[in-house]
Parts: sequence; structure tokens; C-alpha cells
Amino acid sequence: KQEVTQIPAALSVPEGENLVLNCSFTDSAIYNLQWFRQDPGKGLTSLLLIQSSQREQTSGRLNASLDKSSGRSTLYIAASQPGDSATYLCAVGQISSGSARQLTFGSGTQLTVLP
Amino acid sequence: NAGVTQTPKFQVLKTGQSMTLQCAQDMNHNSMYWYRQDPGMGLRLIYYSASEGTTDKGEVPNGYNVSRLNKREFSLRLESAAPSQTSVYFCASSKTAAGGLSETQYFGPGTRLLVL
Repeated sequence: KQEVTQIPAALSVPEGENLVLNCSFTDSAIYNLQWFRQDPGKGLTSLLLIQSSQREQTSGRLNASLDKSSGRSTLYIAASQPGDSATYLCAVGQISSGSARQLTFGSGTQLTVLP
Repeated sequence: NAGVTQTPKFQVLKTGQSMTLQCAQDMNHNSMYWYRQDPGMGLRLIYYSASEGTTDKGEVPNGYNVSRLNKREFSLRLESAAPSQTSVYFCASSKTAAGGLSETQYFGPGTRLLVL
């Protein structure tokens, strides 16, 4: 059974700081890994998706890396802003019965960026 | 562009009552999913529907039933609610069960359920 762990559970940083969020998973047989953002009381928004054959993906100030062999991914946020405050969730994708795509989520890192 | 919609947004039930959570998507997606989110546990898959006419159990299906009413709608039913089912429920959809490696899931805003 796939298990996804995110460390730290919570992080507070001053505005402008660069930061790294970590995600680890136990089963390397994945087809992709995604990072989501969740704002309080809201649904999830996909930030970055890395295919299993890729090493990293970038979108603006965000960079996600994937090391499938070691079961690790990192989300790098450059020049953090108060608007980045949210919970960041890592999810690994695997193929389940019926060829459906099944996501297994970590419990998230709650990020607070202080002005 | 509504995406994935869920009703109701919030519900309070008494133990033993039943209710149905509704989900609809307007993106012509084939696959739909129901998750629950509990504090400190991330999202866990309850049931999913790879395509219209099929449903399968996820990680935590006990106490729930689902219906894929048509391609757009996927409902989750609690037949006899228990306090352990107090949670936030999210519906999601994705383009196709046999999609490419870059497929992602799109999430609704969630339903907050409190069972007393």
C-alpha cells in the first residue's frame, strides 16, 4: 500500500524567503506526482504535475523535483509572499483496477508567510 | 466555467440519518472520484468511477454507496450516518481513465458534514 509523508507539517517563514517542502512515498511504481494547493475552506488546485519519466517541473516561482528511485519529491518556492500562505499537498498517481487513476495524498504542509 | 460543483456545502446530521451528497462536472470527463479529508490524514479515496456505468471501492468505502447517474453526475450516499463520518467530502473528476501521464484531477469546493 502506498504511503505518502510530508515534512514539515507546518512551516512559518518571513516574506521573501526561499523555502522547500518535502514529500516522500514508499512505492516507486507511480505514473506521476502532483503538488496541490488548498486554501482554508476551499478545494484543491493543482500547481505542478511531474510525470514519472521527468525530473522536475517549473511554473513561475515554483519548482518541483522528483527522484522516483529514492521515493522523494520537493517543492521549491522562491521569494515567498503572504499570498502563498496555504496548505500544500503532495499526491502520487498510480493505476488501479479498471485503469482508473488513483491518487494517494500526503497530509500536507501548512505554510504561513509572514509580512 | 463551473468545473466541479458539489451540493450541499454544509450539512448537519443526527446519527442514523441518511443523506446523499451530489457532484456534477461540466468538463466531459470520464472518471469521477469521492474523497474524504480528515485533520492530519490528508485525502482518502472512498469510491471512484472510471467511466460511466462503473464504480469501484477506494481505500475507505465502508458506510458509503455511490451512483454514477450519468457521465456528469456522481453521488455519494450515507445510509446510516455515524459520528466517524464527520469529515469534509471532496468530489473530483479527470478526463479519462486511460489518459496520459499528464492527467490531473479537478476538485470541487467540498461538503462539510457534521454527524452528531
